[in-house]
Amino acid sequence: GNSVTQMEGPVTLSEEAFLTINCTYTATGYPSLFWYVQYPGEGLQLLLKATKADDKGSNKGFEATYRKETTSFHLEKGSVQVSDSAVYFCALRSRGSTLGRLYFGRGTQLTVWP
Amino acid sequence: NAGVTQTPKFRILKIGQSMTLQCTQDMNHNYMYWYRQDPGMGLKLIYYSVGAGITDKGEVPNGYNVSRSTTEDFPLRLELAAPSQTSVYFCASSLEEGSNQPQHFGDGTRLSIL
Repeated sequence: GNSVTQMEGPVTLSEEAFLTINCTYTATGYPSLFWYVQYPGEGLQLLLKATKADDKGSNKGFEATYRKETTSFHLEKGSVQVSDSAVYFCALRSRGSTLGRLYFGRGTQLTVWP
Repeated sequence: NAGVTQTPKFRILKIGQSMTLQCTQDMNHNYMYWYRQDPGMGLKLIYYSVGAGITDKGEVPNGYNVSRSTTEDFPLRLELAAPSQTSVYFCASSLEEGSNQPQHFGDGTRLSIL
C-alpha cells in the first residue's frame, strides 16, 4: 500500500541554522512526491514537488530530492528564518490511483527562534 | 484569485446537531476532496468527487455525507454531530487525476462538538 513516514517533531532551531526533515515512503507504482507547508491558522500550501526519481524540487530556499533507491524525499534548507515556522507535511500521490488522492505524513512542527 | 473557499471558519456544535460545511472553488477543477486533520496526525480523506454528480467514500466516511451538484461546490454534511468529529476540516481541489497535479487547499473549518 501507500504510506508516508516523517520524522517526529517538534523541531526547534535558531535562525540561520540548517534544516533537515526526513521523509520516507512506501508506494505501489511510481508516485509523485510533495512537501506542503501549513502556517498557523491557514490551510496547506504546496511548497515543492518532484515527479520522478532524481528530480529535485525547490522553492523559497527549500529543496528535496526524490531518491528512489532509499524511498526518501527529505526536506532541507540551508538557513532557516523565523518566518519558516510552520508545520511541514510530506505527501505522495500514486500514479496507479484512479483517485489521485494524497497520502500524508503526520506533519513536523518547526519553530525557528531569532 | 479566490481558489478554494471554505465557510464557516469556526463552529461549535452540540452533540446531535447537524450542519453543512461549505466548500467552493473557482478554478474549474474536476477533482475535489474533504479531509479531516486531528492533532498530531496527518490528513485523512473523508470523501472525494471526480466531477459533478460523482462522489465516493474515502478512508473515514462514517458520520458524513457529501453532494456534488456543480463543479464549483462540494458541501460536507454532518447529520448527528458526535465529539469524535471535533477536528479541523479541509477541502481541496485539483485539476485532474494526473499524479503530478498538486491539490489546492482551503483555509479550513475548525469544528468543536460539545
